[in-house]
Amino acid sequence: GENVEQHPSTLSVQEGDSAVIKCTYSDSASNYFPWYKQELGKRPQLIIDIRSNVGEKKDQRIAVTLNKTAKHFSLHITETQPEDSAVYFCAARGAGGGADGLTFGKGTHLIIQP
Amino acid sequence: EADIYQTPRYLVIGTGKKITLECSQTMGHDKMYWYQQDPGMELHLIHYSYGVNSTEKGDLSSESTVSRIRTEHFPLTLESARPSHTSQYLCASTTAGTPTNEKLFFGSGTQLSVL
Repeated sequence: GENVEQHPSTLSVQEGDSAVIKCTYSDSASNYFPWYKQELGKRPQLIIDIRSNVGEKKDQRIAVTLNKTAKHFSLHITETQPEDSAVYFCAARGAGGGADGLTFGKGTHLIIQP
Repeated sequence: EADIYQTPRYLVIGTGKKITLECSQTMGHDKMYWYQQDPGMELHLIHYSYGVNSTEKGDLSSESTVSRIRTEHFPLTLESARPSHTSQYLCASTTAGTPTNEKLFFGSGTQLSVL
């Protein structure tokens, strides 16, 4: 089955700086890569996703890049703000499709220092 | 408002009790899921359903059971709770359509503590 590795487990950055979270996956047939943000005590929420036919996607201060050859994808947050503090999860979906085919990474605790 | 609702939000019970965690969605989704998550840790799929009378076990072995008698309702039951069941349980559902268009929406979760 799919295996997703996520790094780092904790990331502390100064407010205004950029943050990068990286994930690797094992199944070359995986075709969908979402990122979820979970604030303390709240539900995970989808913040951005990318499909295997696209190399990069941006939405305001966040962007995701995908390198299919190397089987890794990354989340980039620019001009970080206090409200960006949360746990971020990457995931990969195998070719079988459906959310039951989603494998999540272990999460990254992003801490924004004032 | 279309959403996915979970009750109770918090539950503290004694060992051996039978409990049911409720999950209902008003989003019109066919597919529903239960995930188990320790605080700030990864999500593990324990059950899913593609529609009425369809239930499947997920990747993580669980002693819980689920039912899907109505499209909008997907309760999870523990027949005899144990301290090892202490965790957060998140219900989720996905948009209909082709698998590549499915986006997962989560409920607020039930934090279960078994003493």
